[in-house]
Amino acid sequence: GAVVSQHPSRVICKSGTSVKIECRSLDFQATTMFWYRQFPKQSLMLMATSNEGSKATYEQGVEKDKFLINHASLTLSTLTVTSAHPEDSSFYICSARAGLGANQPQHFGDGTRLSIL
Amino acid sequence: SQKIEQNSEALNIQEGKTATLTCNYTNYSPAYLQWYRQDPGRGPVFLLLIRENEKEKRKERLKVTFDTTLKQSLFHITASQPADSATYLCAPEPISGGYNKLIFGAGTRLAVHP
Repeated sequence: GAVVSQHPSRVICKSGTSVKIECRSLDFQATTMFWYRQFPKQSLMLMATSNEGSKATYEQGVEKDKFLINHASLTLSTLTVTSAHPEDSSFYICSARAGLGANQPQHFGDGTRLSIL
Repeated sequence: SQKIEQNSEALNIQEGKTATLTCNYTNYSPAYLQWYRQDPGRGPVFLLLIRENEKEKRKERLKVTFDTTLKQSLFHITASQPADSATYLCAPEPISGGYNKLIFGAGTRLAVHP
């Protein structure tokens, strides 16, 4: 089945550090990937849609200069949290769809637990 | 605005019983509805997709119904097992062309007790 790998699984760093999270589709090509954030006991909140070869589409309220997304190839998207602060601490999850169309399931990575001290 | 409602309280059931989880949506006209399972500290895993013209869909011990009149989907797990304990998320999906983004409900936590 389709596998999405996310790395690192956990990051602990000081306030002001920039953190890069990688999301790879291992056995399929993903023209579009999605980045979510999830706070404890809350729903997945879509942050942005990452499109290969073009700019990401951000959801309302998500700062594009804070959360930089690069989708350099059909199998890799990266999310960089710039100058992270404690309020950015959260669980970040990426996903990808193997095919075009609304009836395709999304395949998720296992998430990155980001803790900013 | 579009809204997805799932029972926020945990559902506790005895092993062997059928678990029924509810997903209600408003201001949506989904052509599809997807259900996912999420374990603590993990990403969601796809379970089932049902189309608007399908009343019911089954996969092993799982059954999903989709009532577009009631704007509701029910997710059933029969002969439940402790290993079924997890949070279950629903995601109604409208047709908007090209790559659709999925918006998820908050999920219902299921606990199956031996």
